[in-house]
Amino acid sequence: DAKTTQPTSMDCAEGRAANLPCNHSTISGNEYVYWYRQIHSQGPQYIIHGLKNNETNEMASLIITEDRKSSTLILPHATLRDTAVYYCIVRSIRSGSEKLVFGKGMKLTVNP
Amino acid sequence: DTEVTQTPKHLVMGMTNKKSLKCEQHMGHRAMYWYKQKAKKPPELMFVYSYEKLSINESVPSRFSPECPNSSLLNLHLHALQPEDSALYLCASSQGGRGENTIYFGEGSWLTVV
Repeated sequence: DAKTTQPTSMDCAEGRAANLPCNHSTISGNEYVYWYRQIHSQGPQYIIHGLKNNETNEMASLIITEDRKSSTLILPHATLRDTAVYYCIVRSIRSGSEKLVFGKGMKLTVNP
Repeated sequence: DTEVTQTPKHLVMGMTNKKSLKCEQHMGHRAMYWYKQKAKKPPELMFVYSYEKLSINESVPSRFSPECPNSSLLNLHLHALQPEDSALYLCASSQGGRGENTIYFGEGSWLTVV
């Protein structure tokens, strides 16, 4: 699976949009971009995923560049509860490639 | 409902003990996973079961023994562990097979080996 690069950490003010970047320059055509987050001492929580179109759900929006080499996760109105480690993961959808490989992730701190 | 239930939440065991971690899902998922997470590190894959058969073993020591009694249950049997095996053990599940099958995680079992 292609590797991803994320900043180590980022701060955001409560109530503002949090834009979390991710680079995946070696992504291939059958690989999805997945985002998970992990709040301290809890299991990873699925946020959103996409292939090439922008996606939105009740938690976040995912913007993928046209060349698919990078993406941005947007939390539209960050709250203190959004403080977590965010993982951007590229994952193949080919049969036999079920596994999710986590990188180091990015610590988002939402400040009051 | 995307719930994966893990028990116990906390486990303390001696190096000579035998214990088990349990995981259950009722989403009809056919793939189940065990991950291990050390403090301040990302989760690392240990095992994958697909349609109740072990499909991936990431070179995990034999003191960790997975078992999938049926498609809803996944166990991790622990024997002769070392203190460095202390970690958060995460279970996860997905629909399995080809395609964009989202993996859902449980809250984990905190294991301390003394």
